[in-house]
Amino acid sequence: NAGVTQTPKFQVLKTGQSMTLQCAQDMNHEYMSWYRQDPGMGLRLIHYSVGAGITDQGEVPNGYNVSRSTTEDFPLRLLSAAPSQTSVYFCASSPGLGREQYFGPGTRLTVT
Amino acid sequence: AQSVTQPDIHITVSEGASLELRCNYSYGATPYLFWYVQSPGQGLQLLLKYFSGDTLVQGIKGFEAEFKRSQSSFNLRKPSVHWSDAAEYFCAVGSGYGGSQGNLIFGKGTKLSVKP
Repeated sequence: NAGVTQTPKFQVLKTGQSMTLQCAQDMNHEYMSWYRQDPGMGLRLIHYSVGAGITDQGEVPNGYNVSRSTTEDFPLRLLSAAPSQTSVYFCASSPGLGREQYFGPGTRLTVT
Repeated sequence: AQSVTQPDIHITVSEGASLELRCNYSYGATPYLFWYVQSPGQGLQLLLKYFSGDTLVQGIKGFEAEFKRSQSSFNLRKPSVHWSDAAEYFCAVGSGYGGSQGNLIFGKGTKLSVKP
């Protein structure tokens, strides 16, 4: 049981490049979410999903896309990277709405 | 709107001393409450959770938290801190409602330093 896995662990992008952050969970959780963590800002919700085929925006969705084709996977796409997207990104899954979330190890992204 | 406040940005305690980290929430009904710990360069690990019932909740690593409805608080405690407890601690609140109300709201965190 690996829990929540994220790849890559580190990534450097140039402004304007696109990329996908991968997230997978093996706990059969319906609920998954993406957060970014910046110093002094805590965790901010980017997008979330309540099940395969269902996604919605969180607090800071601009510049990011998500899709959920399977229960296990929830990738986050950066369409055109900007320096403001330099951050640590965490994926999480949960057994239900409002319930405890289980976090992946994070992806540290730098945009130059 | 739901909110979580952790009044202390940074706390330093001596090893072996007791610890209390404060968390206050704003929520219209009985919330689900959580404490997470994050070591440097790591993800967040769930320490404990409160849904209902006994207001004193035991967690991992010797931590406990007490839900006080009258004070809208969910403070985290540990009787004797170890150097390995140095980390950042996050309080979070959630609910069982649908849509965006089901998301967890996190406080901005309290960084704990431990003096030898």
